[in-house]
Amino acid sequence: EDQVTQSPEALRLQEGESSSLNCSYTVSGLRGLFWYRQDPGKGPEFLFTLYSAGEEKEKERLKATLTKKESFLHITAPKPEDSATYLCAVQAAGGTSYGKLTFGQGTILTVHP
Amino acid sequence: SAVISQKPSRDICQRGTSLTIQCQVDSQVTMMFWYRQQPGQSLTLIATANQGSEATYESGFVIDKFPISRPNLTFSTLTVSNMSPEDSSIYLCSSRWGDTQYFGPGTRLTVL
Repeated sequence: EDQVTQSPEALRLQEGESSSLNCSYTVSGLRGLFWYRQDPGKGPEFLFTLYSAGEEKEKERLKATLTKKESFLHITAPKPEDSATYLCAVQAAGGTSYGKLTFGQGTILTVHP
Repeated sequence: SAVISQKPSRDICQRGTSLTIQCQVDSQVTMMFWYRQQPGQSLTLIATANQGSEATYESGFVIDKFPISRPNLTFSTLTVSNMSPEDSSIYLCSSRWGDTQYFGPGTRLTVL
């Protein structure tokens, strides 16, 4: 069974204090690893898809990296508007449902000014 | 990117009633997906809705409880039937464009 574990559950940062969120996964062949941002009362907002170990993607203050067992979401010099829940999800290769993503519980990020 | 809209955005319903949630996508897609996010939990796939065929349900979800329609390539509905308080959740519509998967804003359902 595919599993995704995110840590920490909650992270409080001061504005400008860089840090990383972790996503550990177990999947029977990885087709893709997804990162989302979710604000309260809203649906998940797509950030990145990573496909293979060693891959990195960046968007503004966010950088996602992937190894064979985990992914990191690095946040550089965060601002209060980066406060949100960050979700990690995996899609297994060869699955019967093309859109079946297995999600982690999320990391609640709070950035204080 | 894709735009996915849902109606209603929220509702409060009585036990034993049913609610139909609508999902509209701004471009044609082959597959649409329905997810559930229970309070304090992460997202779980309910079913995949293909146009022109029966929906495919994940383990633990059945058609009698969550009937789905997919009349065309831009629209789908999910009905939550014979509701109980345990059905209180956020229900999200989703679709794929290439290797990017987008989600709608969600429907927050409270069952009393």
